[in-house]
Amino acid sequence: KAGVTQTPRYLIKTRGQQVTLSCSPISGHRSVSWYQQTPGQGLQFLFEYFSETQRNKGNFPGRFSGRQFSNSRSEMNVSTLELGDSALYLCASSLDGQPNYGYTFGSGTRLTVV
Amino acid sequence: QKEVEQNSGPLSVPEGAIASLNCTYSDRVSQSFFWYRQYSGKSPELIMSIYSNGDKEDGRFTAQLNKASQYVSLLIRDSQPSDSATYLCAVWGEYGNKLVFGAGTILRVKS
Repeated sequence: KAGVTQTPRYLIKTRGQQVTLSCSPISGHRSVSWYQQTPGQGLQFLFEYFSETQRNKGNFPGRFSGRQFSNSRSEMNVSTLELGDSALYLCASSLDGQPNYGYTFGSGTRLTVV
Repeated sequence: QKEVEQNSGPLSVPEGAIASLNCTYSDRVSQSFFWYRQYSGKSPELIMSIYSNGDKEDGRFTAQLNKASQYVSLLIRDSQPSDSATYLCAVWGEYGNKLVFGAGTILRVKS
């Protein structure tokens, strides 16, 4: 069974640009959660999508947005990039959003803002 | 106060020793607790979950939960150099549909 696929693996962007990251969950999983990981802050929750609806959102500015498609694939977008947005962005796939039944992370997208 | 707190380490233990990793959480109604291991440059992987007070053992790993003290720990027996990684404590409960992570503890097992 295929795992969670995140693309691209690496990105280098310039301040002020925007970026879109993609996450394809495990087949049959309807929930996708996004996290930002930085050395200082650890894993910070961005948002969670279930059946194309955002159910929960973390404490990030409006520059961070996301969406989910009918096939459960999800994208997150960051507009007007800042140096502080440099991080590893991870998505996690699960059946219904609860980790009790499995919560699998993708390999992540490493974003560098210069 | 952070929702989930861990000592960042690094925690250094000799090969064969017991490594003890600790985590405290702030929300009394939290329901489920998880330990993830993350190797450098890799994504987190689940190693243990625990839902009720007491101990849960799985091979060399033992998770301990004390809801009254809002404390969860992970013991790794017979530590191996391959156990060297960052260990993330995560809590699921009344925060909404999200898993809240601690900042992680770096474990170094010296051979």
